[in-house]
Amino acid sequence: EAGVAQSPRYKIIEKRQSVAFWCNPISGHATLYWYQQILGQGPKLLIQFQNNGVVDDSQLPKDRFSAERLKGVDSTLKIQPAKLEDSAVYLCASSLLSLRQGLSGNTIYFGEGSWLTVV
Amino acid sequence: DAKTTQPNSMESNEEEPVHLPCNHSTISGTDYIHWYRQLPSQGPEYVIHGLTSNVNNRMASLAIAEDRKSSTLILHRATLRDAAVYYCIPSYNYGQNFVFGPGTRLSVLP
Repeated sequence: EAGVAQSPRYKIIEKRQSVAFWCNPISGHATLYWYQQILGQGPKLLIQFQNNGVVDDSQLPKDRFSAERLKGVDSTLKIQPAKLEDSAVYLCASSLLSLRQGLSGNTIYFGEGSWLTVV
Repeated sequence: DAKTTQPNSMESNEEEPVHLPCNHSTISGTDYIHWYRQLPSQGPEYVIHGLTSNVNNRMASLAIAEDRKSSTLILHRATLRDAAVYYCIPSYNYGQNFVFGPGTRLSVLP
């Protein structure tokens, strides 16, 4: 079974530039997540999609971050303009079941992440 | 959200058992206890989860206290590949309720 695919793996940009990350979740997974992980910290949820609808984006800095999930499959996360504090690993994850179908056995699968350095 | 307390770091010798503790005294009755781990330069991966009873799978065992205020992840024979950050997450759902703390960094010595 193919895992969660992310690209690019690494990106270095200057502050105020823009960047986009792409994610292809595991086939058939209804729920997709974007996390931000700053060095030395645990991942923090930015946005959660169920199919192509946004479930929760309360921690997404909407003045500079945007995300969409095209046709309920692939997703892109964009940062424009980037700030120095956006330097982090951006992790995409997916899970099979919808929120209402319960949590037991509903494992989240993570991609390897996209490493962003803003200079 | 249930708050968790885990040691910042632990060390183990290869092929010895490792017991990783987690305190979650504010856990609610519907929260499952999840453990994920994150190997270097990778995304987190699922290890095990449980509700009330102890659980075993091919990766680890999960021992849950009777009052559910603490749990212990048990790696029966640590290998070098088990060196990772281990996260204990009490939650009834994913999303904002599924909070990754700083976790425990496990070092395995050859």
